[in-house]
Amino acid sequence: GQSLEQPSEVTAVEGAIVQINCTYQTSGFYGLSWYQQHDGGAPTFLSYNALDGLEETGRFSSFLSRSDSYGYLLLQELQMKDSASYFCAVKDRDDKIIFGKGTRLHILP
Amino acid sequence: DAGVTQSPTHLIKTRGQQVTLRCSPKSGHDTVSWYQQALGQGPQFIFQYYEEEERQRGNFPDRFSGHQFPNYSSELNVNALLLGDSALYLCASSGDSIYGYTFGSGTRLTVV
Repeated sequence: GQSLEQPSEVTAVEGAIVQINCTYQTSGFYGLSWYQQHDGGAPTFLSYNALDGLEETGRFSSFLSRSDSYGYLLLQELQMKDSASYFCAVKDRDDKIIFGKGTRLHILP
Repeated sequence: DAGVTQSPTHLIKTRGQQVTLRCSPKSGHDTVSWYQQALGQGPQFIFQYYEEEERQRGNFPDRFSGHQFPNYSSELNVNALLLGDSALYLCASSGDSIYGYTFGSGTRLTVV
């Protein structure tokens, strides 16, 4: 079957750095994406990794290791507005995107 | 540039009834995917439409059906509603970009 595993909750302090991990097992692999979703809102695209390594976009970075079926999202200089749920997602060989169950990020002042 | 629009935003239905949800994709996008998101869970893939045909389908019963129109807009139909169908239904559109899906704000369906 297909599965993506990520922690259900993470807590960090404002201004700090936090890493959200994701491991996946899917039928085919065509990239790992990350989405952010605030309560009551729509998921919004954050980043995409097709190849191994680190992709940086402002305060957010995403890493992929295809040999380990593993990736992470790194959030730096945390702000209160970063409090949200974060989903890793994999595009499989059928060109559909499968989502993990999400990690709820709590930020303390 | 309008993003993905979904209607209605909220809906309350009775068990056994039927419901139709609508989605207009982002301009330039030709593929529409539908997801069901239960509270506290990740979006679950229902199906995907491209060129007016169902291209992929997730693990959902035949009570869930859809349609895509020539202008790329799409409908999701659910028959014989069950209490367990209560969820946020998300529509996502995509084109040929690698930069993932654009989601609508969803339709919150409550079955009573």
